[in-house]
Amino acid sequence: EAQVTQNPRYLITVTGKKLTVTCSQNMNHEYMSWYRQDPGLGLRQIYYSMNVEVTDKGDVPEGYKVSRKEKRNFPLILESPSPNQTSLYFCASSQISGGETQYFGPGTRLLVL
Amino acid sequence: AQSVTQLGSHVSVSEGALVLLRCNYSSSVPPYLFWYVQYPNQGLQLLLKYTSAATLVKGINGFEAEFKKSETSFHLTKPSAHMSDAAEYFCAVYNQGGKLIFGQGTELSVKP
Repeated sequence: EAQVTQNPRYLITVTGKKLTVTCSQNMNHEYMSWYRQDPGLGLRQIYYSMNVEVTDKGDVPEGYKVSRKEKRNFPLILESPSPNQTSLYFCASSQISGGETQYFGPGTRLLVL
Repeated sequence: AQSVTQLGSHVSVSEGALVLLRCNYSSSVPPYLFWYVQYPNQGLQLLLKYTSAATLVKGINGFEAEFKKSETSFHLTKPSAHMSDAAEYFCAVYNQGGKLIFGQGTELSVKP
């Protein structure tokens, strides 16, 4: 089954404790992206990657890091989480060309105390 | 710059009534437009997509949307709401840089 998977689905942590949210896709997509979803703000892009070893900032990159060492994986790293990073996070992937459909993972709900 | 505006953060309809969720976009180029649905505790699922092949686009679960260039709109409709349609709906458009821009979302409630 073609899918995007994320782990963990739920995470409670404390301020300053480094964490990683994993994302993996099995569709051989070049493009991958991380979004955060906050009430009333829709989805905002954090980082994206056009291919292996190619990453770039989205609209709200502060406090986040990413890496793309393999085509299928695109982990999101919070080096020192803060309460304002409490949010619902989605990973997505797509082919690269104009107007491709992005496929989303199930989401990771993060609470930073 | 491309943007998307969804009118109404909450819409409530009765079961069997017409569903109309509004989306207006701004784009300087022919747009690629999407509607996604998010059921509780799930990720976003594609409902339908406009790619200039036809102005009336049919999607899953009986939803459809009409692209109106003169009104820069892409409203989502369904003739008869079901309880299972209760969810959050997002309109999105690609910008010239290849980024997918989302609207703020509309939460649809369906009353029995």
